[in-house]
Amino acid sequence: KAGVTQTPRYLIKTRGQQVTLSCSPISGHRSVSWYQQTPGQGLQFLFEYFSETQRNKGNFPGRFSGRQFSNSRSEMNVSTLELGDSALYLCASSGPGAGGPVEQYFGPGTRLTVT
Amino acid sequence: AQSVTQPDIHITVSEGASLELRCNYSYGATPYLFWYVQSPGQGLQLLLKYFSGDTLVQGIKGFEAEFKRSQSSFNLRKPSVHWSDAAEYFCAVGAFSGNTPLVFGKGTRLSVIA
Repeated sequence: KAGVTQTPRYLIKTRGQQVTLSCSPISGHRSVSWYQQTPGQGLQFLFEYFSETQRNKGNFPGRFSGRQFSNSRSEMNVSTLELGDSALYLCASSGPGAGGPVEQYFGPGTRLTVT
Repeated sequence: AQSVTQPDIHITVSEGASLELRCNYSYGATPYLFWYVQSPGQGLQLLLKYFSGDTLVQGIKGFEAEFKRSQSSFNLRKPSVHWSDAAEYFCAVGAFSGNTPLVFGKGTRLSVIA
């Protein structure tokens, strides 16, 4: 089974621009979560989508948004980029579970650099 | 609110030596615990998980972890470290279903010397 894929892997943008990152989950997984990883703050949860609905949202400004498509692929968008948005953005997918806990499987990440 | 503490930012061990990485959590309900490993430039790979049952869980790459409820700990161990184990290790706590996000510790960077 193919793993979680993220595109692009690397991205360089300028302050004020916007960016869209893409994530394709493991086949059959309907939940997609996004995390931001920085050296100072570590791994921080951005949001989670399940069946095209945002179920959970972390404590990030409204410049960070996402969506999920009917095939479970997800995109996240960051508008009006700031230098502090430079980070590794990780996507994780998880299966439906059977009413119990589930583990998340991570993609390789997109390294965003804002200059 | 749930939280995870990994007290050791960086650990250096000799190849062949044993390893223990510490993880303490704070969670209001029954925790579900995970260890992930991240190699440079890579995403996170799941090493092992604890949901319920036997408190000693086995994972991939020869790792194991022990859940101790009384100490709110979930320490990761390996009896003999290999140079390829050098990476960053993250402990995380999760909840019952996928609609509660994982909370991660800050990570422990492991260096392995000959």
